[in-house]
Amino acid sequence: GAGVSQSPRYKVTKRGQDVTLRCDPISSHATLYWYQQALGQGPEFLTYFNYEAQPDKSGLPSDRFSAERPEGSISTLTIQRTEQRDSAMYRCASSLRQGRGTQYFGPGTRLLVL
Amino acid sequence: SQQGEEDPQALSIQEGENATMNCSYKTSINNLQWYRQNSGRGLVHLILIRSNEREKHSGRLRVTLDTSKKSSSLLITASRAADTASYFCATDGMDSSYKLIFGSGTRLLVRP
Repeated sequence: GAGVSQSPRYKVTKRGQDVTLRCDPISSHATLYWYQQALGQGPEFLTYFNYEAQPDKSGLPSDRFSAERPEGSISTLTIQRTEQRDSAMYRCASSLRQGRGTQYFGPGTRLLVL
Repeated sequence: SQQGEEDPQALSIQEGENATMNCSYKTSINNLQWYRQNSGRGLVHLILIRSNEREKHSGRLRVTLDTSKKSSSLLITASRAADTASYFCATDGMDSSYKLIFGSGTRLLVRP
């Protein structure tokens, strides 16, 4: 597609529920990234994919967080048993390939856990 | 954890004035990038400067990089109300080129 898209744009859930966020990267881009952004802060790295491989998931805050990119294009980020501290903006980005400079960001999904 | 810090945290100027934002970082880098975030919208890439470059221009934007001081500055000339946004610098480390590390941002308000 023309740019990175994410869905849903907003998600309100109750504590303890599972949520799944979706990212559709720029179609020619091999590398996809997930970031978490707290209010008033810059984004923080969660994990990334080269096609379907996930070389680094060290930024995921806990084992409740997982991400997939099974066919090397669309990716999902799942948070199980959500907690209030998971409330944040979740941003997806893509780049042509790893280490090739510019990462293009999607509009983000704002998650609110009540 | 955040890699760097932007300075100032907030900046308010009159339309037509220049705005200067600074960014400091901690580790050796490949590239440094500046992004803009409008309220309620995504992060928009503004400019990338490589570690072997000292200055770069793009339209009304001028970026400098001093690797000896581990710092960068973003100058926006002849500011417009539409430049009102948060501005973030982001670095990618030499041992982790895939991971952008962002500062905490400068909130710029351009008064019409």
